[in-house]
Amino acid sequence: EVQLVESGGGLVQPGRSLRLSCTASGFTFGDYTITWLRQAPGKGLEWVGFIRNKRDGGTPEYAASVKGRFTVSRDDSKSIAYLQMNSLKTEDTAVYYCTRDPPPFVWGQGTLVTVSS
Amino acid sequence: DIQMTQSPSTLSASVGDRVTITCRASQSISGWLAWYQQKPGKAPKLLIYKASSLDSGVPSRFSGSGSGTQFTLTISSLQPDDFATYYCQQYKTYWTFGQGTKVEIK
Repeated sequence: EVQLVESGGGLVQPGRSLRLSCTASGFTFGDYTITWLRQAPGKGLEWVGFIRNKRDGGTPEYAASVKGRFTVSRDDSKSIAYLQMNSLKTEDTAVYYCTRDPPPFVWGQGTLVTVSS
Repeated sequence: DIQMTQSPSTLSASVGDRVTITCRASQSISGWLAWYQQKPGKAPKLLIYKASSLDSGVPSRFSGSGSGTQFTLTISSLQPDDFATYYCQQYKTYWTFGQGTKVEIK
């Protein structure tokens, strides 16, 4: 079964850092781009960024709202992608999801990040 | 950036109704469009990708159409399990989502 599982969420103070993990199973992880998205409480879906597969350069792209603060990376040997979040703001509070690309897109169940003092 | 505009924002319908949701892109995205269903507290569920390709296991009452800038999601006969929020998503250039359409019980 193709599966993605996010972990690492929790309560963090503004200005601090947190690293999320996205652990994949059931498919060849290295063949796919991994995309991160988020959904603030009661709001819509927002693209955060992605990291391309090695064949396409392995390079990342970021939304303007997180550029310079968030970093996506991947370890194909472990089938894990990471989202390093620095200088967190209260507006970063959301459920964070990872997905694989290209379609059909498979989503994880999400992990909640709460940024609050 | 490509903007996605969904309509309506809310839709009240009854079981058995035919339901249509529209999504418009601010520029041509060819057929690089997906539709999702989301229920409270759950991850979005992929229904359709490439504008009209039904994901595995999705009931055939769901269908998608369109290309360029205008797209529709149609539910041919609304079922009790279909009351949820629906999102369109373009993936031609990065990803952008519509604001969502909540399908409510009439």
